[in-house]
Amino acid sequence: KQEVTQIPAALSVPEGENLVLNCSFTDSAIYNLQWFRQDPGKGLTSLLLIQSSQREQTSGRLNASLDKSSGRSTLYIAASQPGDSATYLCRRNNDMRFGAGTRLTVKP
Amino acid sequence: GAVVSQHPSRVICKSGTSVKIECRSLDFQATTMFWYRQFPKKSLMLMATSNEGSKATYEQGVEKDKFLINHASLTLSTLTVTSAHPEDSSFYICSGRVPPDTQYFGPGTRLTVL
Repeated sequence: KQEVTQIPAALSVPEGENLVLNCSFTDSAIYNLQWFRQDPGKGLTSLLLIQSSQREQTSGRLNASLDKSSGRSTLYIAASQPGDSATYLCRRNNDMRFGAGTRLTVKP
Repeated sequence: GAVVSQHPSRVICKSGTSVKIECRSLDFQATTMFWYRQFPKKSLMLMATSNEGSKATYEQGVEKDKFLINHASLTLSTLTVTSAHPEDSSFYICSGRVPPDTQYFGPGTRLTVL
């Protein structure tokens, strides 16, 4: 069974910290990898899409990297803010399979 | 970005009734739409992929006779939960795809079956 795993499941940090969210997959044959944000009871917002030929993508305070050889992607959030509090999901777009998400809480 | 709407946003129904959820792409044409369900504090599970004008492709373990999907136009897909039971209570999310890789997600529909 192809799995997408996200670690940690939950994370609580004080405002201003830099943090890293991890996503790993059992099958390293990646088409592309996408990170989403989901606010409670809401749909998803796409944050970053990394094509299989790319190693990373950046958008503002967010940076996502993709290492196909190890089957891992990381989402780096710089200078976290309370507005960053949400669940972050990664998805492998080969099969549209999501990880379980990391619930992030940034405390003021 | 493009907008996808879902209606209703919340629905409460009695066990045994059928519930229809609409997913509309408001400003783009979605040849492919996806339906997901999400349990509390769990990830999204892909239920089915629907292409306009053809039958939906269901993921393994998803009952096609229970979750009826219709994609009659490029801007509308519907999911009907037939003879709903409490275990069908969940958060249902649709998305529309703009080739090759962009998806726009609806805000979700929370279904509660009493």
